[in-house]
Amino acid sequence: QKEVEQNSGPLSVPEGAIASLNCTYSDRGSQSFFWYRQYSGKSPELIMFIYSNGDKEDGRFTAQLNKASQYVSLLIRDSQPSDSATYLCAVNIDLAGNQFYFGTGTSLTVIP
Amino acid sequence: EAGVAQSPRYKIIEKRQSVAFWCNPISGHATLYWYQQILGQGPKLLIQFQNNGVVDDSQLPKDRFSAERLKGVDSTLKIQPAKLEDSAVYLCASSYGTGITEAFFGQGTRLTVV
Repeated sequence: QKEVEQNSGPLSVPEGAIASLNCTYSDRGSQSFFWYRQYSGKSPELIMFIYSNGDKEDGRFTAQLNKASQYVSLLIRDSQPSDSATYLCAVNIDLAGNQFYFGTGTSLTVIP
Repeated sequence: EAGVAQSPRYKIIEKRQSVAFWCNPISGHATLYWYQQILGQGPKLLIQFQNNGVVDDSQLPKDRFSAERLKGVDSTLKIQPAKLEDSAVYLCASSYGTGITEAFFGQGTRLTVV
């Protein structure tokens, strides 16, 4: 079973606030975890990935991974209206085969 | 570096007709994916190729969908006959295929079945 669960939202935050997006996965063999951003009518584009427990920071974005809890999150600091999009969590089940399974996505709106 | 190319961008067909989508991955990418994304949902993996071999096609409705990747480069996805519920965006993606690597997506083909 390869399930990736996300709260579909919509999530609304004021400009400058921290947006917190969550994702859980069912396959304990999952190797790496990706956050993609998808603007309406566009293709998904990678924000960042993480494969070790703990935090990984990239600019205003921080990914957090807890393999014991099968939980990965994305924090967006100083949210901007341009961050308004759907955020997709993707799980790579097999490192050798690179099989990506996606959640349903969380819609984020940043209110100016 | 050129991205993943897909065509056509849009397609409208009647139910029971057939349709084909084409994808050209990023040069050197061994792995190619076809995803179906229904409005409001996340991408659903239909089929994954490693070079010209199938890695996973467990979610491909094989009674109506088929895909091939000849010579390990370009790929086509076909639907025959189409149903109303096949209306979706069909995304092609590619990756290097080994190690921790992201999947790069094409612009997608928006299919409307009427």
